[in-house]
Amino acid sequence: AQSVSQHNHHVILSEAASLELGCNYSYGGTVNLFWYVQYPGQHLQLLLKYFSGDPLVKGIKGFEAEFIKSKFSFNLRKPSVQWSDTAEYFCAVNDRAGNNRKLIWGLGTSLAVNP
Amino acid sequence: DTGVSQDPRHKITKRGQNVTFRCDPISEHNRLYWYRQTLGQGPEFLTYFQNEAQLEKSRLLSDRFSAERPKGSFSTLEIQRTEQGDSAMYLCASSSGTGENIQYFGAGTRLSVL
Repeated sequence: AQSVSQHNHHVILSEAASLELGCNYSYGGTVNLFWYVQYPGQHLQLLLKYFSGDPLVKGIKGFEAEFIKSKFSFNLRKPSVQWSDTAEYFCAVNDRAGNNRKLIWGLGTSLAVNP
Repeated sequence: DTGVSQDPRHKITKRGQNVTFRCDPISEHNRLYWYRQTLGQGPEFLTYFQNEAQLEKSRLLSDRFSAERPKGSFSTLEIQRTEQGDSAMYLCASSSGTGENIQYFGAGTRLSVL
């Protein structure tokens, strides 16, 4: 069965620090990969996605992620975080060959950025 | 607002009562998904509709849960005889079913069963 593992459950950083959140997935087929963000009191929003092509993808607000197929990983990075990046971050995958495209989610990482 | 909307945002109920939630997807999105999220967890897939057809249900969806999408537009999720373990955030998402098929989420309905 598909599964997603996020390594860091709680991260606390100071502004301007660099961020890397780990995500590994378990699935034998071809997947689409996503990072969603949930700001306090708001709904889940798509941060970035990888479907195919260049394994380094750029998303909104200066975030990027790198797909490393050999490591089944899709880590999220940002060179310099801001207080406004305080949020919950979720990694998700779905089966590209599957018909329903349901998302399988990690547990999430809570990021707190101190001003 | 043209996003996914869910109603109500919060629901408090007593154990054993029935509750119903509504989801209005983005207009013309033919795919609709329900997920459940508990504290400290990621969302878990519950069920999926393509137009009015319910094509997949998770094993998480016990017999007390039923979902409908009668006209292929809005959807309802009903929980009968609620239990304390049903307390969670219920999320709805919709997608176009074409191209990248990105799922867009509503704000969710938070259910508290006392």
